[in-house]
Amino acid sequence: EAQVTQNPRYLITVTGKKLTVTCSQNMNHEYMSWYRQDPGLGLRQIYYSMNVEVTDKGDVPEGYKVSRKEKRNFPLILESPSPNQTSLYFCASRSGRLNQPQHFGDGTRLSIL
Amino acid sequence: KQEVTQIPAALSVPEGENLVLNCSFTDSAIYNLQWFRQDPGKGLTSLLLIQSSQREQTSGRLNASLDKSSGRSTLYIAASQPGDSATYLCAVKGDNYGQNFVFGPGTRLSVLP
Repeated sequence: EAQVTQNPRYLITVTGKKLTVTCSQNMNHEYMSWYRQDPGLGLRQIYYSMNVEVTDKGDVPEGYKVSRKEKRNFPLILESPSPNQTSLYFCASRSGRLNQPQHFGDGTRLSIL
Repeated sequence: KQEVTQIPAALSVPEGENLVLNCSFTDSAIYNLQWFRQDPGKGLTSLLLIQSSQREQTSGRLNASLDKSSGRSTLYIAASQPGDSATYLCAVKGDNYGQNFVFGPGTRLSVLP
């Protein structure tokens, strides 16, 4: 089954404790993205990647890092999480062919205390 | 900067009604527009993608139209069912090869049995 898998689905942690949210897709997609979803602000793009070793900032990249060492994986790293990063996070992927839809994971709910 | 709005923010209808959800965007230079549904606790499911050169797309009971010059898209749902209850989001992709998608805030739809 074609899917985007995120882990963990839920995480409660404390300020300053480094964490990584993993994202993996099995569709051989070139493009992958991370979004955060906040009430009243909607979905905002954090980082995206157009292929292996190619990443770029989205609208709200501050406080986040990403890497794309393999085509299927696109982890999101919070080096020193802060309470304002409490949010619902989504990973998405899509094919590099033109006008292809994005496929989303089920989301990761992060709470930073 | 592209801004996307959706009206109404919430909508409640009895089962069987036909309904229209609206999406507006400020910059008409878009590459495509995508409609998603989001169920509580879940990620986004792609419903329809309309290329900038297209006027509409249909899938089952769903029909999405695009008027690029006026910055509008509508999602028409025919013969609504309780299973259609979800939040519906539209997202536009800019007229470039970047990966920046801008999402609207969504319309929360409740279809009452």
